[in-house]
Amino acid sequence: QQQVKQSPQSLIVQKGGISIINCAYENTAFDYFPWYQQFPGKGPALLIAIRPDVSEKKEGRFTISFNKSAKQFSLHIMDSQPGDSATYFCAASTDKLIFGTGTRLQVFP
Amino acid sequence: GAGVSQTPSNKVTEKGKYVELRCDPISGHTALYWYRQSLGQGPEFLIYFQGTGAADDSGLPNDRFFAVRPEGSVSTLKIQRTERGDSAVYLCASSQGVVMGGGANVLTFGAGSRLTVL
Repeated sequence: QQQVKQSPQSLIVQKGGISIINCAYENTAFDYFPWYQQFPGKGPALLIAIRPDVSEKKEGRFTISFNKSAKQFSLHIMDSQPGDSATYFCAASTDKLIFGTGTRLQVFP
Repeated sequence: GAGVSQTPSNKVTEKGKYVELRCDPISGHTALYWYRQSLGQGPEFLIYFQGTGAADDSGLPNDRFFAVRPEGSVSTLKIQRTERGDSAVYLCASSQGVVMGGGANVLTFGAGSRLTVL
C-alpha cells in the first residue's frame, strides 16, 4: 500500500536525448509527488514536484506527467546533458515521503 | 544554518557498540525527518518530528533505534548494539512544516552520515 515502484533501474542516454523515468503508486491518499536528484556523496535534492490536481508540470528541461486514474507519474528530461548524470528518485507523500528505488541515469557526450 | 548539517559524515564502529548520529536542521524548520539509505536503494523512512515530539516513528526497524529532538531543533539518532545490517547512510531532512495535502512538504536533505558496522 505504501510502496512506490520505479523503473528503469538504470538508463543510458546520449547527450541531447530524452530521458524518461516512470513511477507507479497504490495509495490514493498520496497528495504530493516530488522528484529528487542525488549525486554521489550528497543528499537527495528536490528537482520538481506535482500535485494530483495537475496533469503536467514543466520547469526548464524537466517535465512531470501525472496520470491520476492510472496512479502513475513520470519524469521527462529533455535535451539530456552529461551534468544530468545522477540517481533520480520519485516519491509520494501524505505527511512523509515514500521513495522509489531510484534510477541511475548516465548521459554520454 | 544555510543547510542541514549532519555529523559525523563517516562513522566506523564494531558490532555491538552504541552510536549517535546528529542532525542540525535549517533554522526555523519545525519538521525533521530521518531516513536510511542502503547502497543502491531509495531512502527508507525511519521517523519524523514535528517540533519536539515524534509524530511518526513507524519506520524504526526495532527497539535498538531511538531518536530525540529535545528542544525542537537538533536531533540525535541513537543506535544500540549495532549490527552489520545497520550499515547504511543515515539521512536527515527538515522542512518548514508538515501540511497534509498542501504540497508544502519540501524536504531539504543533509549529506548524510555513513555508518559502517564491522
